This record gives sequence, C-alpha cells and structure tokens, in this order.
Amino acid sequence: QSVLTQPPSVSAAPGQKVTISCSGSSSNIGNHYVSWYQQLPGTAPKLLIYDNNKRPSGIPDRFSGSKSGTSGTLGITGLQTGDEADYFCGTWDSSLSVVVFGRGTKLTVL
Amino acid sequence: QVQLQESGPGLVKPSETLSLTCTVSGGSISSYYWSWIRQSPGKGLEWIGYIFYTRSMKYNPSLNSRVTISVDTSKNQMSLRLTSVTAADTAVYYCARSVIVIIPTTQNFYYYGMDVWGQGTTVTVSS
Repeated sequence: QSVLTQPPSVSAAPGQKVTISCSGSSSNIGNHYVSWYQQLPGTAPKLLIYDNNKRPSGIPDRFSGSKSGTSGTLGITGLQTGDEADYFCGTWDSSLSVVVFGRGTKLTVL
Repeated sequence: QVQLQESGPGLVKPSETLSLTCTVSGGSISSYYWSWIRQSPGKGLEWIGYIFYTRSMKYNPSLNSRVTISVDTSKNQMSLRLTSVTAADTAVYYCARSVIVIIPTTQNFYYYGMDVWGQGTTVTVSS
C-alpha cells in the first residue's frame, strides 16, 4: 500500500488528452513538491516534471504538471503511441522521512 | 551530460550482503545528493536512501538497520551495501541524482525530484 494513490491505468486515443492523478496527504504532497516520471517498457524512469509543474530541458510542453492541496496531476496532450508507458508520481514525506512514490499508472494509447 | 552506471553481482545468496556501485560520468559527484531506489513487481518504486558528497546521508527507516550508502569522491562513485538479504530484496536497483536543498539556518528540506537515473541492474536473491 503506497502513501500516494494513482489510478492503475488510463487510456485515450492518439491526439487526445489524458490526466493522471496522484493523491496524498499533508505530510507529503500537501507540503512538498511533486515530481513525475515516465518509465517506458524495460527502461529506467525518466523525470518529466519537478517542483510540481516544471519541465526539465528536453521534455515537450505536451507534458504538464499541477498541484492543488494534497493532490498532484500530470497532463499529457496530443497523445502519441510512443507515450505508452508507466507514469509515477513522487515526493517527500516528512512524517515518514522518506521519498515516496505512487504505484504507477499504465497509460494505453488506443 | 551526466550519466550513471550501476554495477555489481546479479545473484546474491540469502543471508549474504548485496553490494552495488554507481559510477558517475560526465560530471562530478560533488554538489549533489545521490539516491538508491529499487523496483520490484510487488512493491513498485522504493527509495532506499541518499547521500551527499560530504557523506551526510539518510536511509529509509524500513531498511535502516541493513543499509549502508557511501561515496568515494576520488572515484566519482557511490556504493550500496544491503546486509542479510532475502528473496524480498530481489529487484532492479537504480541510482539517481537527487535534487535536494537543505537550508542550513532553518534546516528546511526541499526535495525536487530525481533528474538523472542509471539504467538499473537486476539483483536476484536465491540460493
């Protein structure tokens, strides 16, 4: 059981938009920055979003992040088949004194 | 461009010690925090701990008694030791650069994310 809750899966058609939620509490998302990672099959996670809504250099602006209260959201627009991957949220939990991750959401582009 | 490469035995016997090394290339291990993370099908991503080049470190309390993370700035390497392993420690182990800021005067802690990851190394615990 993870302290961050993500939907197990989401799906959408190519070209469409999808959002992935990450729900936590005041000890983690409520008071700390959210980051998002993309993990393509058989590869290491890759940072997509840090500091709630900032994109590292090289990440397309099709990917966006937001935070409200104790929840974070990853948005992906203009879906491509190459976006099919697992997406994880992460943050610091000050009660547990650990970095915590969600269990991941599998994105299927139909 | 900073790159990370994990290395170490792929098979460890139960009750023995798992030892992995993360080599940093294309940049200095100094001035950043460095984490170990593992991923197993049953538990998703699990943060093991981090270390700063000054050897300040923090471990996941769930593994605290078994984990040691060290850094060798002369070799630009970070290492992980996990003692008394069981089958539950079977996982892909990653090292990653962690963007963390701790304000010295207030000790306020800001974790921004992990921006560079190694490719990962699979470790199986089995006799």
